[in-house]
Amino acid sequence: QLQLQESGPGLVKPSETLSLTCKVSGGSISRSSYYWGWIRQSPGKGLEWIGSIYYSGSTYYNPSLKSRVTVSVDTSKNQFSLKVRSVTAADTAVYYCARHYCGADCYPDYWGQGTLFTVFS
Amino acid sequence: QSVLTQPPSASGTPGQRVTISCSGSTSNIGSNTVNWFRQLPGTAPKVLIYSNNQRPSGVPDRFSGSKSGTSASLAISGLQSEDEANYYCAAWDDSLNGHLVFGGGTKLTVL
Repeated sequence: QLQLQESGPGLVKPSETLSLTCKVSGGSISRSSYYWGWIRQSPGKGLEWIGSIYYSGSTYYNPSLKSRVTVSVDTSKNQFSLKVRSVTAADTAVYYCARHYCGADCYPDYWGQGTLFTVFS
Repeated sequence: QSVLTQPPSASGTPGQRVTISCSGSTSNIGSNTVNWFRQLPGTAPKVLIYSNNQRPSGVPDRFSGSKSGTSASLAISGLQSEDEANYYCAAWDDSLNGHLVFGGGTKLTVL
């Protein structure tokens, strides 16, 4: 059964870089038709899509975050990662990694449990 | 401000039928399929409806989705107490190289 597990430091100071990794088990990250991405949810708020990546390295990003965000993939480790630069308190959120099925278009069909990331000064 | 517009709240009594709307534009709902997610408190969202009206295995047929033009709806019939949750719509948006957009979410209360 597919499992996605987020990992990374729970606390980062303002202006630093958030780094999270999503380890995929129970399936190959190199499978066709699937992108791998990140979604976040600020406390008490709705969902915000961050970006996604194909195993070949092709990416899509949320235009509002694109200048500060990088999503990368490591097929040898069957995992993908997120970096958010120059973080502020507004980046405090639960970060979910998710598999995205891409047929005619893409949607996240399988989610990790999420990890809370706090910007703390 | 979310790209897709949902009512912030909805409610119904057990056994009732409720609908949740999701409004977008030609670059998202008007051009692509709509997906619905349900989020129980403290848990990750799960797919409820994909490709406008398809249910993943395990989702009861009490849940149905529809789309018309730049709007979509989620209908829940035979409302049950365990349906109390937050519901989100999402669609791919073709603008600015393509990205996924979500609605702001609807809190469904079972009275």
